[in-house]
Amino acid sequence: AQSVTQPDIHITVSEGASLELRCNYSYGATPYLFWYVQSPGQGLQLLLKYFSGDTLVQGIKGFEAEFKRSQSSFNLRKPSVHWSDAAEYFCAVGASQAGNMLTFGGGTRLMVKP
Amino acid sequence: DAGVIQSPRHEVTEMGQEVTLRCKPISGHDYLFWYRQTMMRGLELLIYFNNNVPIDDSGMPEDRFSAKMPNASFSTLKIQPSEPRDSAVYFCASSYRGGGGQFFGPGTRLTVL
Repeated sequence: AQSVTQPDIHITVSEGASLELRCNYSYGATPYLFWYVQSPGQGLQLLLKYFSGDTLVQGIKGFEAEFKRSQSSFNLRKPSVHWSDAAEYFCAVGASQAGNMLTFGGGTRLMVKP
Repeated sequence: DAGVIQSPRHEVTEMGQEVTLRCKPISGHDYLFWYRQTMMRGLELLIYFNNNVPIDDSGMPEDRFSAKMPNASFSTLKIQPSEPRDSAVYFCASSYRGGGGQFFGPGTRLTVL
């Protein structure tokens, strides 16, 4: 069975600081990996996805993520955080590019200090 | 593209009443998903459809919940009778078999009193 672990429930960073959100997955085959962001009162918005190829993927809003097969990780990064990045972030693993049967992590809530 | 559309955005009802949530997926998408999100349980997949056919409903909590997709552009999630523990945010999402991941609607916040 596939699973996703986001070890950090809450993270607080200062505006302008760099950010890394951790994601570890367990999956028996080639994983399709996704990061979503959810602002308060909103639905989930797809930030980026990894299917194959270059292990460093770029997403929207200046985010990137790196797939490391040896570590079963897909960590999300941003070099300089903006106050508007405060939200909850979800990592997910799926069995296909269509993203059907996604398994989500528990989420990491990001707070940004001025 | 209008994205995934859900209605209503907010629903307040009394215990025992029937609740119907509606979803219009992105045009051309052939997968549709219903999720429930609560503080205690996080994001849970309830059911998903492929080409209007239910594929996996193992996440539907009990017989009070039912979902239909009569055509490619419309789906409903019905709770009858509703209970206070059904209070949650319900999301609909759609995706295309060619790739791109799931796209979520804004959600329906359901409160059962």
